[in-house]
Amino acid sequence: DQQVKQNSPSLSVQEGRISILNCDYTNSMFDYFLWYKKYPAEGPTFLISISSIKDKNEDGRFTVFLNKSAKHLSLHIVPSQPGDSAVYFCAATSPTGNQFYFGTGTSLTVIP
Amino acid sequence: NAGVTQTPKFQVLKTGQSMTLQCAQDMNHEYMSWYRQDPGMGLRLIHYSVGAGITDQGEVPNGYNVSRSTTEDFPLRLLSAAPSQTSVYFCASSYGAGRMNTEAFFGQGTRLTVV
Repeated sequence: DQQVKQNSPSLSVQEGRISILNCDYTNSMFDYFLWYKKYPAEGPTFLISISSIKDKNEDGRFTVFLNKSAKHLSLHIVPSQPGDSAVYFCAATSPTGNQFYFGTGTSLTVIP
Repeated sequence: NAGVTQTPKFQVLKTGQSMTLQCAQDMNHEYMSWYRQDPGMGLRLIHYSVGAGITDQGEVPNGYNVSRSTTEDFPLRLLSAAPSQTSVYFCASSYGAGRMNTEAFFGQGTRLTVV
């Protein structure tokens, strides 16, 4: 059973606009969440993370929001750039576990 | 900095053949793991290791074997390849899982085709 879900397989956004990627999780024990970016023929690379003690974490153009009551997190990219076109995975882990759980990914296309 | 190195990058196997996917990291990470990526399925954990001599199964372990004799290396063995094992395989390492402020570093992947 998928514990981390990304329900939008793809997203297209105009350059300069905001991209919002969503992620839902089911396990209330998850307390640390990560976003990864993946280009074709490359391995995923870490983008940004957030712990459950926060509801927002910002790094340049990237902001992750966490809504624990809704078990939902989102990644905002502002402004979006063509180089942001990639597949984005969210992941989660818990203090009692030994695994990262990944979502199925969202393919973002930023149109120049 | 090499990070996580996977070899080979591409491989074609015949059904029933065996092979080993190599993974090495130079970051002195305790935790290493293998994932497979399939269309619409995301990254699924095959096996992981929390340190030398310790391995455990992930979500999709059947048909794969691992060992961890050193901190640096974590090879993945396909015992008898099947077409269902056609996938892209990623090795990852981190200081740990289940702990905050750690992230996994991934290799570039091995694209495996079983015919």
